[in-house]
Amino acid sequence: SQTIHQWPATLVQPVGSPLSLECTVEGTSNPNLYWYRQAAGRGLQLLFYSVGIGQISSEVPQNLSASRPQDRQFILSSKKLLLSDSGFYLCAWSSDRDDEQYFGPGTRLTVT
Amino acid sequence: DAKTTQPNSMESNEEEPVHLPCNHSTISGTDYIHWYRQLPSQGPEYVIHGLTSNVNNRMASLAIAEDRKSSTLILHRATLRDAAVYYCILRDDNYGQNFVFGPGTRLSVLP
Repeated sequence: SQTIHQWPATLVQPVGSPLSLECTVEGTSNPNLYWYRQAAGRGLQLLFYSVGIGQISSEVPQNLSASRPQDRQFILSSKKLLLSDSGFYLCAWSSDRDDEQYFGPGTRLTVT
Repeated sequence: DAKTTQPNSMESNEEEPVHLPCNHSTISGTDYIHWYRQLPSQGPEYVIHGLTSNVNNRMASLAIAEDRKSSTLILHRATLRDAAVYYCILRDDNYGQNFVFGPGTRLSVLP
């Protein structure tokens, strides 16, 4: 069966520091991968999605970037965090763009 | 993206059925109706989806109005573990569209 991992589970970082969140998927090949952010008390916002290695689409202009160095690895990064980057970051995968998405456990990021 | 309207919150008693409504008056003929739910401090999980006919699975039932302008997610016997935010989402499943999550309905289940 397929599983999706995210780490770390929680993170507290000062403003201006760098960020690296990692997501890996097991049990499937060539998944579509997604990064979402959920601000406190709000819905999910799609940040990036990837249909293959090195293929990244950005949904909203922002302070973050994403990379996919391996088939089942998706990384969310920032060179300098802003207070507004705080939130719950969720990685998801699907077999195809038209299929259901399966979410990871999330990383709760607090920028202080 | 087509939009949906859901109540902000609902309450239910444990072991009673729950009917979560969703209005989507501007739905197009190729939009599928998807439901996800998000338990506290977790990522969303797939519940059910359908196009025109009512759908049943082990988690829930989806009742779709004949004109498709509304639908209802039915939990047949609510448990405390069903307390979550429920999202109703429209997506054209034929064109690789992304899911757009709105604020959803926060369901509270009372013991």
